[in-house]
Amino acid sequence: AQKITQTQPGMFVQEKEAVTLDCTYDTSDQSYGLFWYKQPSSGEMIFLIYQGSYDEQNATEGRYSLNFQKARKSANLVISASQLGDSAMYFCAMRPVNTGKLIFGQGTTLQVKP
Amino acid sequence: NAGVTQTPKFQVLKTGQSMTLQCAQDMNHNSMYWYRQDPGMGLRLIYYSASEGTTDKGEVPNGYNVSRLNKREFSLRLESAAPSQTSVYFCASGRRDYGYTFGSGTRLTVV
Repeated sequence: AQKITQTQPGMFVQEKEAVTLDCTYDTSDQSYGLFWYKQPSSGEMIFLIYQGSYDEQNATEGRYSLNFQKARKSANLVISASQLGDSAMYFCAMRPVNTGKLIFGQGTTLQVKP
Repeated sequence: NAGVTQTPKFQVLKTGQSMTLQCAQDMNHNSMYWYRQDPGMGLRLIYYSASEGTTDKGEVPNGYNVSRLNKREFSLRLESAAPSQTSVYFCASGRRDYGYTFGSGTRLTVV
């Protein structure tokens, strides 16, 4: 069975500090993709970063990086130098190559304090 | 502008009524998805289509049907709406290694 778990319902971070949002996943597939999305209060879903299961290096996109630990089945999102505009809900997602099924975790609400 | 277009943006239905949510993408993607999002919760997969001509059930398919009309369009139908189907519905399309693009959502209320 395929499952994504985000254990932090809500988090606070001080502006300009770094924050890590946790994500663990479960799949029996060997080849899969991992994703993080941001959903601000306006409701749209914004793609942040992608990591392939066979990628040897951790993915980075600007202030976002994905701390991928394959053996532990974790794909944590690290946001560096937090900004007030980072306040949003963040979702981790996974798509095994074979099934095409893209599923999401429950999300983590991040609030950035000035 | 390129992307995923969902219609309508808002809808109110009475219990037992039917309706179809429309989704179209112009990015030539093979994979398309329908999700529902309830307040304070994550996205739950209703149905997906890995390629034109195929559809598969997701996590919460009961009460819904889908049609992959062509490569661009993927519609979601509620045959007999129930209050439990009150939710925000999102359509998405994309490629595994390039991420997935979401529509702006349909806010559905069933009274």
